Amino acid sequence: EPEVTQTPSHQVTQMGQEVILRCVPISNHLYFYWYRQILGQKVEFLVSFYNNEISEKSEIFDDQFSVERPDGSNFTLKIRSTKLEDSAMYFCASRYDTSSEQYFGPGTRLTVT
Amino acid sequence: KNEVEQSPQNLTAQEGEFITINCSYSVGISALHWLQQHPGGGIVSLFMLSSGKKKHGRLIATINIQEKHSSLHITASHPRDSAVYICAVRFYGGSQGNLIFGKGTKLSVKP
Repeated sequence: EPEVTQTPSHQVTQMGQEVILRCVPISNHLYFYWYRQILGQKVEFLVSFYNNEISEKSEIFDDQFSVERPDGSNFTLKIRSTKLEDSAMYFCASRYDTSSEQYFGPGTRLTVT
Repeated sequence: KNEVEQSPQNLTAQEGEFITINCSYSVGISALHWLQQHPGGGIVSLFMLSSGKKKHGRLIATINIQEKHSSLHITASHPRDSAVYICAVRFYGGSQGNLIFGKGTKLSVKP
């Protein structure tokens, strides 16, 4: 069965460093999402991406964040200058269209020290 | 404000018990998802509903659109069902399918 994959599974970085989290959505899916979950809290929407552009973003997704689909298969989330409060699990998800199910990746645990 | 509330927050059951987890939401939705999050953190989609009822194995999900309420039932619960169960909704106007999540219900099934 097709699945969403994410790399790395765990990333440790120092405050102020840039990180790129990578996702490979399911190949025929058209809508892509990033969510995050701070430890012990609920999952929160960050950004949605369709047709090579951001379609919606939350107030969390400030200028420090960016997304890209560089090559038609990868979908990346970049955090330019990480803060301690960026420590969280980041989930990528994809779906074929807006009426179909979202499939989640296994997540990347980001630890900012 | 668009809210998703789940109850209970924590649930402990004995193996074999019938389990119900509830989800209510504040305004109209176009779809509701039930998700399962394992201790390692991964999220698995169990159901997507916009009306009625769906069944998969020992899991049943129902939704009442008028009452803005959904339930997830687990029949003949088993220790491997222990996980966090999350309700997430797509509100009308969330045209790109963005989900708003509840806080989750942590289920522990004892042998």
